[in-house]
Amino acid sequence: DIQMTQTPSSMPASLGERVTISCRASQGISNYLNWYQQKPDGTIKPLIYYTSNLQSGVPSRFSGSGSGTDYSLTISSLEPEDFAMYYCQQYDSSPDTFGAGTKLELK
Amino acid sequence: EVQLVESGGVLVQPGRSMKLSCAASGFTFSSFPMAWVRQAPTKGLEWVATISTSGGSTYYRDSVKGRFTISRDNAKSTLYLQMDSLRSEDTATYYCTTRTMAPSWFAYWGQGTLVTVSS
Repeated sequence: DIQMTQTPSSMPASLGERVTISCRASQGISNYLNWYQQKPDGTIKPLIYYTSNLQSGVPSRFSGSGSGTDYSLTISSLEPEDFAMYYCQQYDSSPDTFGAGTKLELK
Repeated sequence: EVQLVESGGVLVQPGRSMKLSCAASGFTFSSFPMAWVRQAPTKGLEWVATISTSGGSTYYRDSVKGRFTISRDNAKSTLYLQMDSLRSEDTATYYCTTRTMAPSWFAYWGQGTLVTVSS
């Protein structure tokens, strides 16, 4: 199985700050990489598909990039509703695998 | 509005069985592959199983093969997960999700149902 390593595991940040979450695959995944957000109540929402494509309705402050084994999710200016867990997921090779998550916390 | 509502999660002893259900509404259920994804307490997300639109094809992670069975009833817009020979490591919140192909991801998620395997 492809291992997905997310860093950092937690990130204290302030409102208005620009943050970047990284995700590294154990082998190349040809941009087959998605991002999800999980709120404290457990609600899970898809954000970005195929590395850099924003889901309809997701604010433009979210963006994704990367290639090969290294990918990232950037939030350009943090809003209160952005403090949550974020997970990357690869679908280049079965089974689909997720990163361990990054908890974005209010500093 | 798409809704996925899981049910059936309870406390169960190791070695016993349990069946989860997921009632879907707000979309054409029979047109979407469906999946179960689980999350152990304080852990990340883990894909469990996927089923094709007709139910004719099923896929499982290695650790549940031979113990779990995913199925669906398109007439009732309901997804199921039969879990046998449960182990403590199966303890998790189980999420019902649509596994779309374009884009290829888990597009819609339920709120989850907690399964606790403990003596």
